Amino acid sequence: QSALTQPASVSGSPGQSITISCTGTSSDVGGQNYVSWYQQHPGKAPKLMIYDVINRPSGVSNRFSGSKSGNTASLTISGLQAEDEADYYCSSYTSSSTLVFGGGTKLTVL
Amino acid sequence: QLQLQESGPGLVKPSQTLSLTCTVSGGSISSASYHWTWIRQPAGKGLEWIGRFSTGGSTNYNPSLKSRVTISVETSKNQFSLNLRSVTAADTAVYYCARFPWAAYYGMDVWGQGTTVTVSS
Repeated sequence: QSALTQPASVSGSPGQSITISCTGTSSDVGGQNYVSWYQQHPGKAPKLMIYDVINRPSGVSNRFSGSKSGNTASLTISGLQAEDEADYYCSSYTSSSTLVFGGGTKLTVL
Repeated sequence: QLQLQESGPGLVKPSQTLSLTCTVSGGSISSASYHWTWIRQPAGKGLEWIGRFSTGGSTNYNPSLKSRVTISVETSKNQFSLNLRSVTAADTAVYYCARFPWAAYYGMDVWGQGTTVTVSS
């Protein structure tokens, strides 16, 4: 299975919105609504931010939202804050009952 | 509150078997509502899903690692384990265990803190 495709880096100023894309195939992202997103700060374990494409776990800020169109899923962060600076990973369940991650995107808050 | 903790040797010699254990506290590993997963991350690189085990009896592995990996559960100890055979330097990484509550939603909601494993002679 091939890793999902994410941009290596994105940046934005405080208060702005950014979007991170995650492109797969009809065998993973496009095949079902099982995309999740994770935030990882340096030296820390990943944290679940979005599951099933659009849903936020309890405690995650509503500034984080997810969407999907075809084989591409997206994570949008609105009202950027300094603490949002981190690496972000998408993941998708596949038609083979496995999981696959994206390569990760480094978010810089300017 | 459910917590996961990885443990095992921090140094493994090439060609040997890497063995890690994830201890689950604050909840039971026996519930069929969850998959118990392993993920790894080489230094400075991205996350890689290794595989998962369900106490319902099913396992799935990353195709690129399938020939070398076994994940098993010891319900009496509330633990699950990872065995990765014939390791090389490319297996050097931080290894995480995580819970995947498939019966509720598809995402890994509880993670261990990670344990660093170095493959070197």
